[in-house]
Amino acid sequence: GQQLNQSPQSMFIQEGEDVSMNCTSSSIFNTWLWYKQDPGEGPVLLIALYKAGELTSNGRLTAQFGITRKDSFLNISASIPSDVGIYFCAGHGGATNKLIFGTGTLLAVQP
Amino acid sequence: NAGVMQNPRHLVRRRGQEARLRCSPMKGHSHVYWYRQLPEEGLKFMVYLQKENIIDESGMPKERFSAEFPKEGPSILRIQQVVRGDSAAYFCASWRDLPGLADNEQFFGPGTRLTVL
Repeated sequence: GQQLNQSPQSMFIQEGEDVSMNCTSSSIFNTWLWYKQDPGEGPVLLIALYKAGELTSNGRLTAQFGITRKDSFLNISASIPSDVGIYFCAGHGGATNKLIFGTGTLLAVQP
Repeated sequence: NAGVMQNPRHLVRRRGQEARLRCSPMKGHSHVYWYRQLPEEGLKFMVYLQKENIIDESGMPKERFSAEFPKEGPSILRIQQVVRGDSAAYFCASWRDLPGLADNEQFFGPGTRLTVL
């Protein structure tokens, strides 16, 4: 089945640092999504990418949809304590639009 | 505009009991997805429903699990005769299937955390 591998698994950084995480797949996806999950909550959509090569920003977040359609990265600039959480990439799997989620990247920000 | 609602937020059951998890989608959304998240893992798709129809249940365990989305009322995920391995967070997401719109993506509820003793 389709799988998404995320790296790194976890990151521990100082406030103000930039962060980069990426997601790779063994198969092609037509859409890449990035979600953030806070403890005890559901995932919240951060950025959606629909075209290969697309680069999209949302405030301090920037994400790109790889040209091969098998990878994507998410950058967070000037991190702040509220960026703490787990970041998941996801892609639409098949005709029913179900989401295939990555393994997650845990981000911890030291004030 | 109310978001996706799930209840209960926390549910404790003993082995062998039944668990009923409810999901009310966002207003105007007629599609519901259920996902399961084990500790320290990503979400795994279980089932996709439209009103009164199960569209894709390829992620549902073959036994003890069932889901419905009636014409009126919330979607319900039912787990019969729960076992310890059913302990997880269960999320539903709603979607309205309008291609071309910026928000044509799934929006998630806060989840139900099921603990089986």
